[in-house]
Amino acid sequence: QQPVQSPQAVILREGEDAVINCSSSKALYSVHWYRQKHGEAPVFLMILLKGGEQKGHDKISASFNEKKQQSSLYLTASQLSYSGTYFCGTVSGNQFYFGTGTSLTVIP
Amino acid sequence: DAGVIQSPRHEVTEMGQEVTLRCKPISGHDYLFWYRQTMMRGLELLIYFNNNVPIDDSGMPEDRFSAKMPNASFSTLKIQPSEPRDSAVYFCASSQLGGPKETQYFGPGTRLLVL
Repeated sequence: QQPVQSPQAVILREGEDAVINCSSSKALYSVHWYRQKHGEAPVFLMILLKGGEQKGHDKISASFNEKKQQSSLYLTASQLSYSGTYFCGTVSGNQFYFGTGTSLTVIP
Repeated sequence: DAGVIQSPRHEVTEMGQEVTLRCKPISGHDYLFWYRQTMMRGLELLIYFNNNVPIDDSGMPEDRFSAKMPNASFSTLKIQPSEPRDSAVYFCASSQLGGPKETQYFGPGTRLLVL
């Protein structure tokens, strides 16, 4: 029931792009994305409510393929501040599950 | 707004002792969530409330865990008796209206160590 994220970890140089995928075995109502820095609480990034919906914030955007029960998070021209662990959260019915997490490290 | 407030921030206790974690959600939020985070299991939803009523407690690991929300501004998560495997960071989060479908605002967490 826990959505699976890939990759588990990624290291980028500043300015490079990355894609994080989130896949669920259940039909999804919506997908959330959160970022958690070491020793801190998760912080909301965005919610995607409809199949096919794409959202963006600054150089971070996401898409939601309802039919495939998948979502992808796109980080463009990564910055050092993007480092952290990214979690997707899936809503199916009234149940909410966080994904397995993707550790992203941006180096100079 | 002060955000979600949790106390204590750190707790060290011995196996068999009772542990009580506290949470004050953001004012006006109708939903409150309790999560546990460990390296092995990641972030797990333990229970969530809507208007002080427990909606889904399927994530509560066993009878040693209990949660209450006596009013809209306060919730507790109790572990009795505590065991070393309960060591984790416990987060409380709150949201408005749509509950799990809405943005969740997390508190800073309580780091629990059971010796």
